[in-house]
Amino acid sequence: DIQLTQSPSILSASLGDRVTITCRASQSVRRWLAWYQQTPGKAPKLLVYDASNLDRGVPSRFSGSGSGTDFTLTISTLQPEDFATYYCQQYNMYPLTFGPGTKVDFQ
Amino acid sequence: EVRLVQSGGAVVQPGESLRLSCAASGLTLQQYAIHWVRQAPGKGLEWVSGLNGDGTSAFYADSVRGRFIISRDNSKNSLFLQMNSLRPDDTAFYFCAMSDCISPACRPRDYWGQGSLVTVSS
Repeated sequence: DIQLTQSPSILSASLGDRVTITCRASQSVRRWLAWYQQTPGKAPKLLVYDASNLDRGVPSRFSGSGSGTDFTLTISTLQPEDFATYYCQQYNMYPLTFGPGTKVDFQ
Repeated sequence: EVRLVQSGGAVVQPGESLRLSCAASGLTLQQYAIHWVRQAPGKGLEWVSGLNGDGTSAFYADSVRGRFIISRDNSKNSLFLQMNSLRPDDTAFYFCAMSDCISPACRPRDYWGQGSLVTVSS
């Protein structure tokens, strides 16, 4: 199975900050990586697919990059609604796997 | 508007069975692969199972293979997860979700059910 690690596990930030979350895969997943945002009690929301494609309706302050084993999700200017937990997911190979999550909270 | 409405969550005892349902509207279900993803309370996301559009190709996580069965009824725009021999570590919120196809590298879609809580406890 492909293992995904995320760093940091918790990120304390302030409104307006630029935030970067890293996801590393145990083997190449090519470009087949997605990023999700989840708030308590809600289903995950797809932000980015194919490593760098923003899903429809996702604000442009979100961006994804990377390929192979190393990926990043960047939020250019943190907004109040961005305080949430973020997960990466690889879909290069079954079983599909998720990273352990990065919680972005108030500094 | 695409909506996935789930039903079937419950409290069950270890060893019992339960069937989750997910009813889709606003899209033609057969055009999409379907997945179940679960989340134990306070924990991360775990992919459970996936099924292609015509129901002929299924994938399972090792943790549920042989106990869970994923299925779909495209005529009713519905998908199901039959869960047998339930264990306490199956306790989780279960979400239905979709992707363009079942093969690796298929684009995920932002179509999710609201989640169903399954609690396995004696």
